[in-house]
Amino acid sequence: ETGVTQTPRHLVMGMTNKKSLKCEQHLGHNAMYWYKQSAKKPLELMFVYSLEERVENNSVPSRFSPECPNSSHLFLHLHTLQPEDSALYLCASSQDTGAKNIQYFGAGTRLSVL
Amino acid sequence: GEDVEQSLFLSVREGDSSVINCTYTDSSSTYLYWYKQEPGAGLQLLTYIFSNMDMKQDQRLTVLLNKKDKHLSLRIADTQTGDSAIYFCAVKEGGTYKYIFGTGTRLKVLA
Repeated sequence: ETGVTQTPRHLVMGMTNKKSLKCEQHLGHNAMYWYKQSAKKPLELMFVYSLEERVENNSVPSRFSPECPNSSHLFLHLHTLQPEDSALYLCASSQDTGAKNIQYFGAGTRLSVL
Repeated sequence: GEDVEQSLFLSVREGDSSVINCTYTDSSSTYLYWYKQEPGAGLQLLTYIFSNMDMKQDQRLTVLLNKKDKHLSLRIADTQTGDSAIYFCAVKEGGTYKYIFGTGTRLKVLA
């Protein structure tokens, strides 16, 4: 148990659906991250929030929309996704975004887009 | 930008030592990390090393850093079947909070 909880663990959605991924951290951290993990590719950083402000948006398509209502919660809202968006989406948190930040990961949401 | 490379697979026999290698390109990287991912799980931090260190040992794990060659390795002594997983090298991009991950090395431990 890393202190970072992601729900749901698995999600199947059609290309016209709207769904949301949720991440919650119980570590008192101030920074949270969304990553995409596709088969045989390095982890791709999608979004970074620090103190509830978005500090990084890594050229992610607008069909992915993050939301950070407070420092403990992070959402990823999904709409009109494509089959190539099927992947494991990982959330992480760290104390801050400083030089020695150590990121703690959740177990991920396995997303399948049909 | 930073590039981090790892070999994709490693097989070892139970009880042997495993050595997982990683190379990176950014010489200004400050912290380097090893994560473990078991099936169906997220990434679990195993250990990390600061760039002014050559070696760090933590129980069965030994991390070696060769800054000149930009080479990082993770040695697991007395490898057990429970060590079977994917191991990711991650490098902190110099001057930023960003981690750059390798593609991961899948370690298979044979009984």
